[in-house]
Amino acid sequence: NAGVTQTPKFRVLKTGQSMTLLCAQDMNHEYMYWYRQDPGMGLRLIHYSVGEGTTAKGEVPDGYNVSRLKKQNFLLGLESAAPSQTSVYFCASTGLAGYNEQFFGPGTRLTVL
Amino acid sequence: AQSVAQPEDQVNVAEGNPLTVKCTYSVSGNPYLFWYVQYPNRGLQFLLKYITGDNLVKGSYGFEAEFNKSQTSFHLKKPSALVSDSALYFCAVRDDSSGGSYIPTFGRGTSLIVHP
Repeated sequence: NAGVTQTPKFRVLKTGQSMTLLCAQDMNHEYMYWYRQDPGMGLRLIHYSVGEGTTAKGEVPDGYNVSRLKKQNFLLGLESAAPSQTSVYFCASTGLAGYNEQFFGPGTRLTVL
Repeated sequence: AQSVAQPEDQVNVAEGNPLTVKCTYSVSGNPYLFWYVQYPNRGLQFLLKYITGDNLVKGSYGFEAEFNKSQTSFHLKKPSALVSDSALYFCAVRDDSSGGSYIPTFGRGTSLIVHP
């Protein structure tokens, strides 16, 4: 079991460029999440998905889009990157029961110049 | 509505001493409570959780947490700290009455520093 994997691990963008972050899980989890982590801010939820083909907005969705075409994958897109999107991005997944813990990926460190 | 608070940004403890990282919560129904640890440049790792039953929960790496319903707390503890325990610790809560919304709320994290 690889668990939750994220690609890429690091990326540097210029303002206005676009990119897609890929999250993959091999645990057959229904729920998947994208968070960003900034110093002193803890984890903030960007978007989440409760199943294949469904997505929903989290706490800080502006400037991001997501897609979940396959159950095992959850993509996070930045259409026009801004310096405020410089952050570490984490993907997580969890099973159906509400008491299940989340499994986190190793993170993607994104810098927008 | 659900919320969680970690009142300390940083906790310092000497190696070999007991440690406590505090967490308080607020929910409408019954809480599911979680502790995660994050080592530098890594993702969060699950440590332990409270669902129901015994108020003392044991988890990975010798950590335990005590659920206290009257004080709405779920403090993380370890009898003897190790330097390798130095990391960022997150408490999270999910309200079991939130009708299938599997969105836990995380605290802001507490940095634990264990001094040799």
